[in-house]
Amino acid sequence: DAGVIQSPRHEVTEMGQEVTLRCKPISGHDYLFWYRQTMMRGLELLIYFNNNVPIDDSGMPEDRFSAKMPNASFSTLKIQPSEPRDSAVYFCASRFDSSYNEQFFGPGTRLTVL
Amino acid sequence: DAKTTQPPSMDCAEGRAANLPCNHSTISGNEYVYWYRQIHSQGPQYIIHGLKNNETNEMASLIITEDRKSSTLILPHATLRDTAVYYCIVRGSTGANNLFFGTGTRLTVIP
Repeated sequence: DAGVIQSPRHEVTEMGQEVTLRCKPISGHDYLFWYRQTMMRGLELLIYFNNNVPIDDSGMPEDRFSAKMPNASFSTLKIQPSEPRDSAVYFCASRFDSSYNEQFFGPGTRLTVL
Repeated sequence: DAKTTQPPSMDCAEGRAANLPCNHSTISGNEYVYWYRQIHSQGPQYIIHGLKNNETNEMASLIITEDRKSSTLILPHATLRDTAVYYCIVRGSTGANNLFFGTGTRLTVIP
C-alpha cells in the first residue's frame, strides 16, 4: 500500500480564495483524521470520520472550514474564504478500527495564504 | 485526559541508546501510553504503545514504571535518521480517537 496520500503537497493562494485539500486514506481503514500544524499551536485535530461519517468536528476553527468524506477512499478539507492565519501544514491520517490508536499520517499539505 | 510532561530537547551520540522520559502521573487505569515521532517536514509516525507491561518492537522499547506514572522510550542504537520530535501521548483505546500532541522532545542524534 502507498500509505496515506495527500494532494497537493504545497498550495499558495491569495486571501479570499477557496482552498481544497485532498486525502486518500489507506485502503480498509475505518477512521480518517484531519490535523493542522502551526508553530504557535502545534498539532491540532480538526475533525475525524468513522466509516465516512463525521464523528467529532469540535476542532474545526470556524464555519469557513468544512470537511467531507463521500466514500471510503477519499476526503476533502475545504477552506472558503481562506485567510492568512490559515497558513499551516495540514495532515490527514487514517487507522483501522482496532483495539489501539495507531494512526498513519500522510505527508501533509503546506498551505500558504498571502 | 492525562497530561504528559517531556523534556523539550535531548542530544544523543550516534550508535548509543537514546532514552526519552515521559511523566504521566494522572494516567488512569484504562489509558495507554503511545509514542509517535515527527521527522522534519514529515507527518507523525507511530512508534510503539503500551498499557502496563514493557513493550518492544523493531523500532524501540517502551518501559513503563510499575505505578504507570512515567515511562521511557528507548531507541537502542540511535542513528542520524532518528533525529526528530518525539511525542508521548496518553489516551484510551477504541472510542477515544483524539490524540493530543503536546510539544514533545526534540531529539538530536550527533555524529
